[in-house]
Amino acid sequence: QQQVKQSPQSLIVQKGGISIINCAYENTAFDYFPWYQQFPGKGPALLIAIRPDVSEKKEGRFTISFNKSAKQFSLHIMDSQPGDSATYFCAAREGYNTDKLIFGTGTRLQVFP
Amino acid sequence: GAGVSQTPSNKVTEKGKYVELRCDPISGHTALYWYRQSLGQGPEFLIYFQGTGAADDSGLPNDRFFAVRPEGSVSTLKIQRTERGDSAVYLCASSLNSLVAGGENEQFFGPGTRLTVL
Repeated sequence: QQQVKQSPQSLIVQKGGISIINCAYENTAFDYFPWYQQFPGKGPALLIAIRPDVSEKKEGRFTISFNKSAKQFSLHIMDSQPGDSATYFCAAREGYNTDKLIFGTGTRLQVFP
Repeated sequence: GAGVSQTPSNKVTEKGKYVELRCDPISGHTALYWYRQSLGQGPEFLIYFQGTGAADDSGLPNDRFFAVRPEGSVSTLKIQRTERGDSAVYLCASSLNSLVAGGENEQFFGPGTRLTVL
């Protein structure tokens, strides 16, 4: 049962463009939403994370937008660069009494010069 | 400083055999997590430790899987009677403190152990 739905599966963006990846969830107990970046052969690395009491968080070129009522959140990568080409995963913590993260299925981003 | 290290990087075994996968977390990190990742999928939670104790083992698929962290540092994931469906990359992560324990839960991942069961 997929508890965090991620789209698109793959994304091709021109250098300098905006990359947008979307995630949706059903479980209202989820209370922490991180995004991870993974390069081939490496483990995922935390990019940015948000809690549901905030609607937007920005760190450099990366922004999370969070819509609690719609149970959706998205990652925006501004001024996308070829070095951003990687697989991106959204995730959600299952609740306040555990650190268990549920991951989405991933989005493979390719940024062309 | 050193990141999370996992050994071996690759493990090939035969169906029915027993395997142990080791994780060395970042020094001082109290929380340690195990995930497995199949090709083209996101990491799937298995278990996490806060200190020496398993805080949540709800992701272990069955009783063939077991993990320990006896001294609150290194952890070993043990798989008995391996099956072909166990083939995946097993990822370990650590964080300074778990969210539940009041930390920020930035989980730092190791490079993983690729397990292949023939």
